[in-house]
Amino acid sequence: GPKVLQIPSHQIIDMGQMVTLNCDPVSNHLYFYWYKQILGQQMEFLVNFYNGKVMEKSKLFKDQFSVERPDGSYFTLKIQPTALEDSAVYFCASSLDNERLFFGHGTKLSVL
Amino acid sequence: QQQVRQSPQSLTVWEGETAILNCSYEDSTFDYFPWYHQFPGESPALLIAIRPVSNKKEDGRFTIFFNKREKKFSLHIADSQPGDSATYFCAASARGNTGKLIFGLGTTLQVQP
Repeated sequence: GPKVLQIPSHQIIDMGQMVTLNCDPVSNHLYFYWYKQILGQQMEFLVNFYNGKVMEKSKLFKDQFSVERPDGSYFTLKIQPTALEDSAVYFCASSLDNERLFFGHGTKLSVL
Repeated sequence: QQQVRQSPQSLTVWEGETAILNCSYEDSTFDYFPWYHQFPGESPALLIAIRPVSNKKEDGRFTIFFNKREKKFSLHIADSQPGDSATYFCAASARGNTGKLIFGLGTTLQVQP
């Protein structure tokens, strides 16, 4: 089936540094999402993105977070600066109809 | 505060039995209730979903039962197979915002041969 690719699978950085998580969504999809999963907790919605704009962001989407999809390429989540509590698995997803979401394998972010 | 509660946390059944996974929710504006499954090393994938206009949705061996009055829904896996062993997540979202999913914690299902 359609695949969402996330790069890298694991990223280790020092607190205060900037990190960019990359997502290659399904090619004809129109809606894009980031979800965050802290170890032992449920996946939580961070943000969704459509037509070049953020549609909605949750309270977890701090001011240090930003998303973009320049020129239809990767859909990225940037965190600048990172904090210890940003350590989690970040799942990217895309959808054609904002209903059936296709998820990537996730990027495990470890902030030291 | 968890808006979507899922139980049990883990479940073991024998091959051929029916596995029953349960979820409940609080927000009455929720309008879309999918189940995702995730096999080890794989990404979560949509298995089956229901809207409140129905109280039952079937797809092969997988059936969702929905009780709007009690705000509960369950996934029944009939004739469970070892290949069904995975983590199952229920979720819910509101009308007009179906992509903003509120997930449960997941149920890890083990089907013993």
